[in-house]
Amino acid sequence: QSLLTQPPSASGTPGQRVTISCSGSSSNIGSKAVKWYQHLPGTAPKLLIYRNSERPSGVPDRFSASKSGTSASLAISGLQSEDEADYYCAAWDGSLNAWLFGGGTKLTVL
Amino acid sequence: VHLVESGGGLVQPGGSLLVSCSTSGFTFRSYWMHWVRQAPGKGLVWVSRISSDGSDTTYADSVKGRFTVSRDNDQNTLFLQMNSLRAEDTAIYYCAREDPYADAFDLWGQGTVVTVSS
Repeated sequence: QSLLTQPPSASGTPGQRVTISCSGSSSNIGSKAVKWYQHLPGTAPKLLIYRNSERPSGVPDRFSASKSGTSASLAISGLQSEDEADYYCAAWDGSLNAWLFGGGTKLTVL
Repeated sequence: VHLVESGGGLVQPGGSLLVSCSTSGFTFRSYWMHWVRQAPGKGLVWVSRISSDGSDTTYADSVKGRFTVSRDNDQNTLFLQMNSLRAEDTAIYYCAREDPYADAFDLWGQGTVVTVSS
């Protein structure tokens, strides 16, 4: 059971906008920057978002994220079939002195 | 820029295994490095980290006292020595580089599979 809570699944049709939530606590999301990763099973995970809302070069601006208090969210607009993957939020936890990942959200493009 | 894990395999409960992460294309000695694992059908879980010079290490509670992370900055290689292995350690083990500006894991390997079973 991860300390960062994500919905296990999400879905949308091509072109739609979907959001994935991530809930934590004051010792992690509430005080540290949130990151988001995209992972296709069998491949290397990919950094999508860092510092709550910044995109590395090469990540399309269809991907956006925000943080408020102890929660964060990832939004994907103009959904495409290649977006079908697992998405994870992550943050450092200052009380546990450990990195935390959310349980992951499996995104299905219908 | 590459990270390539190796050394995974089948090991009996209570046994030991050393997995490695060979790196290239960047100044390895300048970066903190991490191990992250994914058990079958489960999500990503952080395992351990090591500072750029190897002087500072941190572990998840689930592996503390059993796993040891180390590095050879001359050989550009990261290691994870796993002892007293349990069935629940069965997972794909990924190494990852921490970008100091982004404070995030910006580069990952493809992973090596560790199976603990009798």
